[in-house]
Amino acid sequence: EPEVTQTPSHQVTQMGQEVILRCVPISNHLYFYWYRQILGQKVEFLVSFYNNEISEKSEIFDDQFSVERPDGSNFTLKIRSTKLEDSAMYFCASSERTSGDGELFFGEGSRLTVL
Amino acid sequence: GNSVTQMEGPVTLSEEAFLTINCTYTATGYPSLFWYVQYPGEGLQLLLKATKADDKGSNKGFEATYRKETTSFHLEKGSVQVSDSAVYFCALMNSGYSTLTFGKGTMLLVSP
Repeated sequence: EPEVTQTPSHQVTQMGQEVILRCVPISNHLYFYWYRQILGQKVEFLVSFYNNEISEKSEIFDDQFSVERPDGSNFTLKIRSTKLEDSAMYFCASSERTSGDGELFFGEGSRLTVL
Repeated sequence: GNSVTQMEGPVTLSEEAFLTINCTYTATGYPSLFWYVQYPGEGLQLLLKATKADDKGSNKGFEATYRKETTSFHLEKGSVQVSDSAVYFCALMNSGYSTLTFGKGTMLLVSP
């Protein structure tokens, strides 16, 4: 069964360092997302991406964050200068279509620890 | 704005017990409602969904009914198994949008 894959599964970094989290969405999906979950808190929407551009973003997704689809398969989230509060589990997701009943397929998550 | 509130966990049950995980929501318009499940070491998976009032979503013995009057979407299962141990997330999506609003998640632990 096709699945969304994310790397790395866990990354530890120093505050101020750049981090890139990678995702390979399901191959025929057109819509891509990043969510995050800070320990003990809700899963929060960060950004959605379609047709090589951001379609929606939350207020969390500030100038420190960027997303890119550098080739036909990868979808990356970059955090330019990490802060302690960026420590969280980051989930990538993809979907075939966008609509109120569209199903999102999630990866296993990448745990980011900022020291 | 949108929000989802679900009961705090962990919920600890013995095998074959009845399960209820409460979920209530606040939303503009008429959202679709979802339950996602995350098994240990895996990503979030869609468990069931309902797209309009009074719809019942069901899958793998789990059920949830979209109750507009009480703005609720409680998850139920008549007889849980050890393999149901996971974290369960209630979520909503507004019509015409593609972003999910999640609750905090409820951990379910089922013992033999």
